[in-house]
Amino acid sequence: SQKIEQNSEALNIQEGKTATLTCNYTNYSPAYLQWYRQDPGRGPVFLLLIRENEKEKRKERLKVTFDTTLKQSLFHITASQPADSATYLCAPVTGRRALTFGSGTRLQVQP
Amino acid sequence: EAGVAQSPRYKIIEKRQSVAFWCNPISGHATLYWYQQILGQGPKLLIQFQNNGVVDDSQLPKDRFSAERLKGVDSTLKIQPAKLEDSAVYLCASSSYRDRGPGNYGYTFGSGTRLTVV
Repeated sequence: SQKIEQNSEALNIQEGKTATLTCNYTNYSPAYLQWYRQDPGRGPVFLLLIRENEKEKRKERLKVTFDTTLKQSLFHITASQPADSATYLCAPVTGRRALTFGSGTRLQVQP
Repeated sequence: EAGVAQSPRYKIIEKRQSVAFWCNPISGHATLYWYQQILGQGPKLLIQFQNNGVVDDSQLPKDRFSAERLKGVDSTLKIQPAKLEDSAVYLCASSSYRDRGPGNYGYTFGSGTRLTVV
């Protein structure tokens, strides 16, 4: 069956460092992959979308990579700030089906 | 532009009671989704509408859950009767994609309704 794996343990890093979050998927062949941010008590907020023919996508301090051979996407936040503390969700996209989300990784940036 | 509106924000009910949630998507968004998010998990799709037609309701527990989207705009999700395991946040999202699929557009989510069944 299709499976999306994100590190369930919280990631704690120091302010200014680069945070790297991992999204692995199995039994999928997604054409796209989306990343969302979710703050407590709020709905997810769309951050970035990367297509299978794009190895890397950047937006300000965010960078996403997509390796269809490894079936993995990495999400990087450079020069992290305490305001980046949140849960980050990945969602591989197949065809026109609605998004299926991973369970998310909680990021805590310490000042 | 205004975001996705949901109400109520919180709801506490006893098991076997009924409850309804309301969603108003972003104006012009043809596609509307209801997701259930249990604490510590990612959102799980319950139902997807395209205009006022159902596209996917394969994960909707139809013996107790129902949803409708009248006139292709607002939507309501109902649970009757509620069970303890229905305690979760119910998220509504909308998207502007039509024929090109969700790979080109992100979803816009509301803040959700937190349901507690006691």
